Amino acid sequence: QSVLTQPPSVSAAPGQKVSISCSGSNSNIGTNFVSWYRHLPGTAPQLLIFDTKERPSGIPDRFSGSASGTSATLGITGLQTGDEADYYCGTWDDRLSAWVFGGGTKLTVL
Amino acid sequence: QLQLEESGPGLVKPSETLSLTCGVSGDSISNIDSYWGWVRHPPGKGLEWIGSIYFTGDTYYNPSLKSRVSIFVDTSKDQFSLHLTSMTASDSALYFCARHQRNRGSSLDSWGQGTLVTVSS
Repeated sequence: QSVLTQPPSVSAAPGQKVSISCSGSNSNIGTNFVSWYRHLPGTAPQLLIFDTKERPSGIPDRFSGSASGTSATLGITGLQTGDEADYYCGTWDDRLSAWVFGGGTKLTVL
Repeated sequence: QLQLEESGPGLVKPSETLSLTCGVSGDSISNIDSYWGWVRHPPGKGLEWIGSIYFTGDTYYNPSLKSRVSIFVDTSKDQFSLHLTSMTASDSALYFCARHQRNRGSSLDSWGQGTLVTVSS
């Protein structure tokens, strides 16, 4: 049972937009920055968003992050088949004094 | 360009201790803006944070693994290590080392390629 809750899967057609939610609590998302990761099993995860809404260099602006209260959202526009992957949110939890990941969301581009 | 490289045995027997090391190049492990962590990905499951360490030796562990985990840092060699005791089949996973950036919300911005650990007799 993850401290951060994500939908197990989302899907959308190429060219469309998708949003992936990450629900937490006051001790994590409500207090600290959120980051998002793309992961293809067997490879290293890739940082997509840090500080809740900032993109590292090289990450296209099709990827965006936002948060409100104790929930965060990753948005992906102009979906491509290459976007198919597992996506994870992560943040620090002050109550646990631990880093926490969401359970992950599998994105399928139909 | 920061590079992280995990090393250690790919096969561990049940009840034994896993020892992995992560070598850091392209940045100093003593960089005050960074701390260093271990994450694993069991087959068919999600990413799991194991623990992290600052160059001072301050450690933070996943509460569910805390009784079995130790992380150490060797600043003279720019490397840090993971020890996980009492290994079972459920600890079989792809293990990654990664860097947290303190000035980027502690996000994990650089990762090693991962090392596959299988627990089997």
